[in-house]
Amino acid sequence: KAGVTQTPRYLIKTRGQQVTLSCSPISGHRSVSWYQQTPGQGLQFLFEYFSETQRNKGNFPGRFSGRQFSNSRSEMNVSTLELGDSALYLCASSLGGQEYGYTFGSGTRLTVV
Amino acid sequence: AQKITQTQPGMFVQEKEAVTLDCTYDTSDPSYGLFWYKQPSSGEMIFLIYQGSYDQQNATEGRYSLNFQKARKSANLVISASQLGDSAMYFCAMREVSGGSNYKLTFGKGTLLTVNP
Repeated sequence: KAGVTQTPRYLIKTRGQQVTLSCSPISGHRSVSWYQQTPGQGLQFLFEYFSETQRNKGNFPGRFSGRQFSNSRSEMNVSTLELGDSALYLCASSLGGQEYGYTFGSGTRLTVV
Repeated sequence: AQKITQTQPGMFVQEKEAVTLDCTYDTSDPSYGLFWYKQPSSGEMIFLIYQGSYDQQNATEGRYSLNFQKARKSANLVISASQLGDSAMYFCAMREVSGGSNYKLTFGKGTLLTVNP
């Protein structure tokens, strides 16, 4: 059974650009969550999607957005990149109910220069 | 206030010995779940063990066990017979069921475990 796949693994962008990260969940999982990990702030929740609907959103500016497709794949977009957006972005998939755990991908390491 | 507190930034243990990683949490939600994840230097978060707030017994998964003390709001991870491959960052996380916190994990700052040969 394939795990959670995040692409790309590494990305270097320039300040002011935008970026799109992709996450393919485990087959059958309908929930996808995104987290940002930085040395200073640790792991912070960005948002969660279930069946194409955003169910929860963290405290991030509107430059951070996401969506989920009908096949449960999810994308996260960051517009007008800032240096502080440099981080490891982790995606987690789940069956979606409260009783289920989360399986994480290997992450996308974004560097903004 | 921090919801998940991991007071040990770093821990050292000798190979084959047991180690306990501390985690305390803060919630007023009667229904919640507690998770432990391992993050090696590669970055992937690996699920280790889960404890539900209503579970009567402490969770165990192979060499991992969770010492759940509900009244003290602590959920310490115990790793028995440490191996060199256990060297990694360990995160405690909580999912609350109500109060708009559904479907998200709140993480602690982590503990960096180093296993010495």
